[in-house]
Amino acid sequence: QKEVEQNSGPLSVPEGAIASLNCTYSDRGSQSFFWYRQYSGKSPELIMFIYSNGDKEDGRFTAQLNKASQYVSLLIRDSQPSDSATYLCAVKGGGADGLTFGKGTHLIIQP
Amino acid sequence: SAVISQKPSRDICQRGTSLTIQCQVDSQVTMMFWYRQQPGQSLTLIATANQGSEATYESGFVIDKFPISRPNLTFSTLTVSNMSPEDSSIYLCSVQSGLITNNEQFFGPGTRLTVL
Repeated sequence: QKEVEQNSGPLSVPEGAIASLNCTYSDRGSQSFFWYRQYSGKSPELIMFIYSNGDKEDGRFTAQLNKASQYVSLLIRDSQPSDSATYLCAVKGGGADGLTFGKGTHLIIQP
Repeated sequence: SAVISQKPSRDICQRGTSLTIQCQVDSQVTMMFWYRQQPGQSLTLIATANQGSEATYESGFVIDKFPISRPNLTFSTLTVSNMSPEDSSIYLCSVQSGLITNNEQFFGPGTRLTVL
């Protein structure tokens, strides 16, 4: 049974600071890793994906992957109130597989 | 990314009835999936909608309860059959172009179902 674990939060971060979101997964066969943002009442929106060990940066967002530790993280620099949302970590095995999601971390950016 | 629409956007249904949800994409996609998001919960994969063949269901989901069709590369339906209040959820379709493991999946706007 694939499992994806996230701290549900809420995680409260001051505006302008770095928000750090973490995720662990159980299936060592997982090959790609996704971060989605979900605002209340909306569907998930893809922020980033990563499949190689190390860091991947896109604007204010950095995804980090450590397959040996089965650990994925998302850093949000210069946090804005509009970043307040639930962040969902998802993992995938093969190319035709669906996603296994964590329960999500509720992030609150305090103005 | 593809533009994905779902119909209906929301519905309120009586127990024992069935509802068919449609998912339409504005371009051909390789993979289509159906997920459920129960109140206050994360997303759970129901099944992979296979074009021209039977859907592939995840553990805990069966064809009799959630029949799925995918007649072409841009359209799929999910039916929630013989509904009970426990079926009250948001149902989302997602699409993926390509079969490489790092191909992204994008979600439709969802269908909010309430069963009385």
